[in-house]
Amino acid sequence: QKEVEQNSGPLSVPEGAIASLNCTYSDRVSQSFFWYRQYSGKSPELIMSIYSNGDKEDGRFTAQLNKASQYVSLLIRDSQPSDSATYLCAVVDQTGANNLFFGTGTRLTVIP
Amino acid sequence: GAGVSQSPRYKVAKRGQDVALRCDPISGHVSLFWYQQALGQGPEFLTYFQNEAQLDKSGLPSDRFFAERPEGSVSTLKIQRTQQEDSAVYLCASSSQGRGTEAFFGQGTRLTVV
Repeated sequence: QKEVEQNSGPLSVPEGAIASLNCTYSDRVSQSFFWYRQYSGKSPELIMSIYSNGDKEDGRFTAQLNKASQYVSLLIRDSQPSDSATYLCAVVDQTGANNLFFGTGTRLTVIP
Repeated sequence: GAGVSQSPRYKVAKRGQDVALRCDPISGHVSLFWYQQALGQGPEFLTYFQNEAQLDKSGLPSDRFFAERPEGSVSTLKIQRTQQEDSAVYLCASSSQGRGTEAFFGQGTRLTVV
């Protein structure tokens, strides 16, 4: 299976700060990358997708992709307590059957 | 339907019992994924369908696990002779196309084997 690695955390940031979540992947030809948010006891919810090198912004969320370094990150600006969740990085394996592989997730806690 | 629907939401099985978990993907979605998620872990890939074709089943942990999607829509994950280590949340996701498009999850089935 392809490797997708994340720091499991927990990552704690104060309310209003920037939270930075990182992910590395092993498949050099991957072209599609996703960030999911998962609240405790709930299923993963798609929050960002990114396909090209550089930054993609959506509200308080910014995804950053560097294919040369095989690195994708998620920045959350003005963090809110409601952002407290586990964030999962997912990568499509495009050498084979286009499966979607996940990292183990980073647990984020935003402290009021 | 409006979203991915899974049933049952919860299942308690006695060790050795067979179980069947159902996934109804978003209408028109060609790709369907099954994942197993243990507590505190990320989703682990089990198997992948494109329409009715099972393109990858490399993640199925043993030959007790079997998945099908006979008409390219609803999928069933079957676990035979359940063991305690099978206890987990089983997640189903679907996406509109095979190549790297966004996948959406159902609410999952929490299986507890006692």
